[in-house]
Amino acid sequence: DVKVTQSSRYLVKRTGEKVFLECVQDMDHENMFWYRQDPGLGLRLIYFSYDVKMKEKGDIPEGYSVSREKKERFSLILESASTNQTSMYLCASREIDEQYFGPGTRLTVT
Amino acid sequence: RKEVEQDPGPFNVPEGATVAFNCTYSNSASQSFFWYRQDCRKEPKLLMSVYSSGNEDGRFTAQLNRASQYISLLIRDSKLSDSATYLCVVNENTGFQKLVFGTGTRLLVSP
Repeated sequence: DVKVTQSSRYLVKRTGEKVFLECVQDMDHENMFWYRQDPGLGLRLIYFSYDVKMKEKGDIPEGYSVSREKKERFSLILESASTNQTSMYLCASREIDEQYFGPGTRLTVT
Repeated sequence: RKEVEQDPGPFNVPEGATVAFNCTYSNSASQSFFWYRQDCRKEPKLLMSVYSSGNEDGRFTAQLNRASQYISLLIRDSKLSDSATYLCVVNENTGFQKLVFGTGTRLLVSP
């Protein structure tokens, strides 16, 4: 079974803090993704990576950065958290067409 | 126009009913299509793929109409456990094969 794990299920941070969200997959997938999901807006792609040290901006990259130093790990970084980054963050890895999602991290920025 | 559009619902149906959802997409170059299911407070999971003229898996049937650029999902003999949000997903067939997700249609099946 493919497994995608995320470092935290719930996280509360203060405005201005630097936030790290970690994602690990165990199926040797090359492609990994970070999304945020908000009511009425659905899943929106923040960044993706198709190989180690490679990254591409998605649809809403502003305020975020990513790191992929190892194939199995893809990190999302909020350099200076803001209240409008309160959301559910979902990591995914992909083989061909099927994307496997992690359980999500519900981030609240106060 | 949104890339992938769905009726948000909710669709409230009794057990045993047949229910259908539609989804429209804007990119005519899209090549592959999917339905994902997302339970409350859980991650999305692939329900079924839709290739060429459609796909059937037990009580679930997905149809594709390329000319009108829509796909549908039909659920027969609804079960309580079918209650979830159903996400329409399109592979835009651009350089990176980007998947675009609809906002989902919520289904509530009642006893």
